[in-house]
Amino acid sequence: EVQVVESGGDLVQPGGSLRLSCAASGFTVISNYMVWVRQAPGKGLEWVSVIYSGGRTDYADSVKGRFTISRDSAKNTLFLQMNSLRAEDTAVYYCVTRQSWMVYWGHGTLVTVSS
Amino acid sequence: NFMLTQPHSVSESPGKTVTISCTRSSGSIGNSYVQWYQQRPGSAPTTVIYEDNQRPSGVPDRFSGSIESSSNSASLTISGLESEDEADYYCQSYDSSNFWVFGGGTKLTVL
Repeated sequence: EVQVVESGGDLVQPGGSLRLSCAASGFTVISNYMVWVRQAPGKGLEWVSVIYSGGRTDYADSVKGRFTISRDSAKNTLFLQMNSLRAEDTAVYYCVTRQSWMVYWGHGTLVTVSS
Repeated sequence: NFMLTQPHSVSESPGKTVTISCTRSSGSIGNSYVQWYQQRPGSAPTTVIYEDNQRPSGVPDRFSGSIESSSNSASLTISGLESEDEADYYCQSYDSSNFWVFGGGTKLTVL
């Protein structure tokens, strides 16, 4: 069974950094298409970043240059390194995998950027 | 780039059928697959339709997806409405760079 479980969300001050993790089971992270999606409080869904099975990465303009997506094959885990955090980055961050066009969602982890 | 426009809210009675539209602003709706996600209050999204009209295992056949070229839109139809269907529904597709584009979401109320 395909499962992803996020962790690492926390309260952080503006300008600070945070690293989110997404532990995968039932499949291998490095062989699959992995995405981060976020949802600000009371708002809709926003695509953040993608890493393809071949290693290519892409980012939404709103996070480009500040966020970095990566993966660890030994831990079968996806990461999102978030630097220079802003109040508008406050959101629940979801780890998502797409396999044969079917999309699987994690439960999310909350990031709050506030002083 | 394009936008996906959904009605802000829809409502219908139990047992009835409701259709939620998702209109693409530019480019053909058939250019890339459309997915539909259900998000119940306080929960993460789950996939109810992928690849325009495919239903994941475990999703009731009351849920169906379609594409309409004439209106350049996708639709999610839920028949035999149940109270548990009350949720926010989001459509999603891909742009020319394969970035994800989401609709603004539709709040379904089962009266």
